[in-house]
Amino acid sequence: AQTVTQSQPEMSVQEAETVTLSCTYDTSESDYYLFWYKQPPSRQMILVIRQEAYKQQNATENRFSVNFQKAAKSFSLKISDSQLGDAAMYFCAYRITTGANSKLTFGKGITLSVRP
Amino acid sequence: DSGVTQTPKHLITATGQRVTLRCSPRSGDLSVYWYQQSLDQGLQFLIQYYNGEERAKGNILERFSAQQFPDLHSELNLSSLELGDSALYFCASSVDLGVTYEQYFGPGTRLTVT
Repeated sequence: AQTVTQSQPEMSVQEAETVTLSCTYDTSESDYYLFWYKQPPSRQMILVIRQEAYKQQNATENRFSVNFQKAAKSFSLKISDSQLGDAAMYFCAYRITTGANSKLTFGKGITLSVRP
Repeated sequence: DSGVTQTPKHLITATGQRVTLRCSPRSGDLSVYWYQQSLDQGLQFLIQYYNGEERAKGNILERFSAQQFPDLHSELNLSSLELGDSALYFCASSVDLGVTYEQYFGPGTRLTVT
């Protein structure tokens, strides 16, 4: 079974600084997707960034980028120029690319606080 | 706003009761997923429907059931409620079976069982 592990329950960053959130996963599949979702206090789940396992290039979305290490099964999220609005819970998630079951498997999440 | 709507936003009920949570997917989306977020279990996949048919089941209790109607909205029925069923229930939708497209989440229904 696929598992997603986020070992840091909480992190803090100074506004305008850079922070990296860690995620590891376990799978026997060779092709899959990885995601980072943001859950602010409103509880809405917001997709931050997506990475296809077959792509060697790391995905970037504005201030958000990932470091995808397929062999190490590691998928970290880097937030640059942190803003107060980045304070939220962040979830790493995995999904296979084939078959009928396209469910998302989530990690436990990490709470990010941003200090002004 | 993801385009996925869920009603009600909040629900408070007593143990042993039955409730129905409703989800309307984004326009054009055929797949609907239900997830449960609780302090104990985190975010867990419950069940998926595609164009009215059940496609996949996760850790869904036998007391829970779901369906997707011809207009593609979905309902999650929770019966014989227990205190441990208190959680945030999310619905998500995607265009297809979800293999190549993102899942967009609704705002969730907060269920409190007292």
